[in-house]
Amino acid sequence: GENVEQHPSTLSVQEGDSAVIKCTYSDSASNYFPWYKQELGKGPQLIIDIRSNVGEKKDQRIAVTLNKTAKHFSLHITETQPEDSAVYFCAGECRAGTALIFGKGTTLSVSS
Amino acid sequence: DTAVSQTPKYLVTQMGNDKSIKCEQNLGHDTMYWYKQDSKKFLKIMFSYNNKELIINETVPNRFSPKSPDKAHLNLHINSLELGDSAVYFCASSQGRGGDTFGSGTRLTVV
Repeated sequence: GENVEQHPSTLSVQEGDSAVIKCTYSDSASNYFPWYKQELGKGPQLIIDIRSNVGEKKDQRIAVTLNKTAKHFSLHITETQPEDSAVYFCAGECRAGTALIFGKGTTLSVSS
Repeated sequence: DTAVSQTPKYLVTQMGNDKSIKCEQNLGHDTMYWYKQDSKKFLKIMFSYNNKELIINETVPNRFSPKSPDKAHLNLHINSLELGDSAVYFCASSQGRGGDTFGSGTRLTVV
């Protein structure tokens, strides 16, 4: 089955800096890789996703890159703001097209 | 509001009790899930239902029994609660293999 590893577990940046979170996955059949942001006391919220036929996707200050050969994908947040502070999770598919397997999360702290 | 809604938000109960968590989605999605988030924030799939049919049961004890009366509802019943069941339980839904839309969670505390 799928296994998703996520690094780092914590990340502290200054406001305006960039933040990068990296994930690796084990199942070469996986085709869908979403990223979630979880704020304190709330459920995870989908912020961006990428499918295996695309190498990069961008949405304003957020971008995701995917390297299928190396089986890793990354989240890039530019011009970070204090409201970006949250726990971020990457995920990959479990058994091709069913539920998601999540990484262990990265706590991002943006200080002003 | 279109959303995944689950109740109750908080649940405190004694060991050995039986409790239920309800979940409803009005997004028209065909698949619903239960996830468990432990104290270290680790999110793990428990169950997946597609159009009322069980798709995934990820080695969850038999004390946990999901029930889907229709494709908009997926409830979770837990028998004989144990201390280790304390966690935040999230309901989610998706259409095909798109992103999961999560509810706001139920914090279960077993004392």
